Amino acid sequence: QKEVEQDPGPLSVPEGAIVSLNCTYSNSAFQYFMWYRQYSRKGPELLMYTYSSGNKEDGRFTAQVDKSSKYISLFIRDSQPSDSATYLCAMSARTGTASKLTFGTGTRLQVTL
Amino acid sequence: DSGVTQTPKHLITATGQRVTLRCSPRSGDLSVYWYQQSLDQGLQFLIQYYNGEERAKGNILERFSAQQFPDLHSELNLSSLELGDSALYFCASSVDGQIGSPLHFGNGTRLTVT
Repeated sequence: QKEVEQDPGPLSVPEGAIVSLNCTYSNSAFQYFMWYRQYSRKGPELLMYTYSSGNKEDGRFTAQVDKSSKYISLFIRDSQPSDSATYLCAMSARTGTASKLTFGTGTRLQVTL
Repeated sequence: DSGVTQTPKHLITATGQRVTLRCSPRSGDLSVYWYQQSLDQGLQFLIQYYNGEERAKGNILERFSAQQFPDLHSELNLSSLELGDSALYFCASSVDGQIGSPLHFGNGTRLTVT
């Protein structure tokens, strides 16, 4: 079983829809939770960054962490065609003196006109 | 633009060969990470350096090696290449390599082994 599970999609929604992207994880040592957006032929770009349980909002994006359920979500409001990309969840845990960032496999999102 | 620079963008080489991928971190970042991304495996952590020293190792094959130089740039060396090594290789950097410091990624090197 992978430490981080993410539905690969693809997920297709019409412009203006609310998008919900999710990840589950098994390692209770994860402390920091991130969402990255990756456009085709580009590197992952940090979108949202949260610590511990709770919600964080940034413009049209809301990240939600539920540590008790080992479940994180990213909500995108008023989705735009420019949001079409692969969204990767990532979470980090301390390993000795280093940190280990573990990624989900990514969900491909397509926002259609 | 993340500020992380990777060269070359593309590499095509034959099985059994050796290649070197290069990464320049963001200005001020001391820690460099290497990741491999393939279609079926997603982003896999290979190795991390902090200020020239190896900090953590992930799923890095013995045929692969890396180093971080005094000017903080890093190189990933891949030898005895196999078809299965074809993938995107990403470099990322962070300020201090600590658990709470986000990573900033370059645009990757696409390696094709024929």
